[in-house]
Amino acid sequence: EVQLVESGGGLVQPGGSLRLSCAASGFTFSDHYMDWVRQAPGKGLEWVGRTRNKANSYTTVYAASVNGRFTVSRDDSKNSLYLQMYSLKTEDTAVYYCTRVLVAGPHYYFDSWGQGTLVTVSS
Amino acid sequence: DIQMTQSPSSLSASVGDRVTITCRASQGINNYLTWFQQKPGKAPKPLIYGASNLQSGVPSKFSGSGSGTDFTLTISSLQPEDVATYYCQQYNSYPLTFGGGTKVEI
Repeated sequence: EVQLVESGGGLVQPGGSLRLSCAASGFTFSDHYMDWVRQAPGKGLEWVGRTRNKANSYTTVYAASVNGRFTVSRDDSKNSLYLQMYSLKTEDTAVYYCTRVLVAGPHYYFDSWGQGTLVTVSS
Repeated sequence: DIQMTQSPSSLSASVGDRVTITCRASQGINNYLTWFQQKPGKAPKPLIYGASNLQSGVPSKFSGSGSGTDFTLTISSLQPEDVATYYCQQYNSYPLTFGGGTKVEI
């Protein structure tokens, strides 16, 4: 069974930093692209960023709203995904989900999600 | 960026009703579209990928159609357990983008 468990959320002041982790199990983590998606309280879903797999040189892509402030990384030896967040703003307050990307032919879609971890940016 | 527009933003229907939700992309996305169901306090769950492919384990009362810019999600017979917010999402190009959601109530 695929499991994704996020951790590391909490309260942080504007301008601060935080690192989220996602522990993966039940599948070959190293084979998959992995993404972060967030959801502000009472709002819709927003894609944050992606790390591709080793076969694709672990390249990353980001949403414009976080580019230059957030870094997605992974450690395949630990089956773990990370989101390092810097220069946090109040608008970064959200539940952050770790997601697995499943490839089915030409389709790259989010087939598994963690339970999410809440990040609150407030003074 | 590709904007995804869902309609309606909310709807109320009766048990057994056929429900249709529409998603429109601001430019063509082929069939690179996923539909998700999200219940309160839970993570989203994929229902349909590739616009019309049923995700494993999802009941066949859910179906999707469309290509290019216009897509639909249909629930053939609404049940109480289908109360949720439904989102479409395109993966044709970066940044990946979601629709604003459709809240389905009974």
